[in-house]
Amino acid sequence: DTEVTQTPKHLVMGMTNKKSLKCEQHMGHRAMYWYKQKAKKPPELMFVYSYEKLSINESVPSRFSPECPNSSLLNLHLHALQPEDSALYLCASSQDQAEGIGAEAFFGQGTRLTVV
Amino acid sequence: AQKVTQAQTEISVVEKEDVTLDCVYETRDTTYYLFWYKQPPSGELVFLIRRNSFDEQNEISGRYSWNFQKSTSSFNFTITASQVVDSAVYFCASRGGSSASKIIFGSGTRLSIRP
Repeated sequence: DTEVTQTPKHLVMGMTNKKSLKCEQHMGHRAMYWYKQKAKKPPELMFVYSYEKLSINESVPSRFSPECPNSSLLNLHLHALQPEDSALYLCASSQDQAEGIGAEAFFGQGTRLTVV
Repeated sequence: AQKVTQAQTEISVVEKEDVTLDCVYETRDTTYYLFWYKQPPSGELVFLIRRNSFDEQNEISGRYSWNFQKSTSSFNFTITASQVVDSAVYFCASRGGSSASKIIFGSGTRLSIRP
């Protein structure tokens, strides 16, 4: 099973709203990631969690707030977003074992976010 | 710092033709990993293959094959006898050897297979 589940699949929110994106994996993976992907562009890394601790923040604006409640869940809290934040938000996880086993990341289907 | 370059923005071929997608990487890490992902119109990124820096063995999986050459810092992907279902955006990616390191993507190659 290499499934990463993201909810919701689509989200439309106003600039004053607060919403959350959710991501879940049951593969026992130790690392989890948030990526942002604009149309016709590659995914851009936002955050990396390792063993439930934030290990990488790619200078993401504070209106994006990640949270890792446990080893299976990853949330992305959204507040006061701008229309330019509209994008596909992808969650991923990887096993991260020695000698590269599990170095690859498995991605969810993404949440297509529209900020109006 | 890592960098992945996919110089081919778009490729269009007729079904059953062979097609090669190019990938050139840059890294200062002695241990690193290279990947190929497929992104169909549905949006999900599908993992295709991982290659470790210490293993230059090429790989074949059905109609797919990968050529990893450290001497030219390249990790090219060939689809033999292409099919319409192969139409997608293909991303080459890399990461360093440390745990939970960044996975950096190339700009992607949009592959269209015409019937």
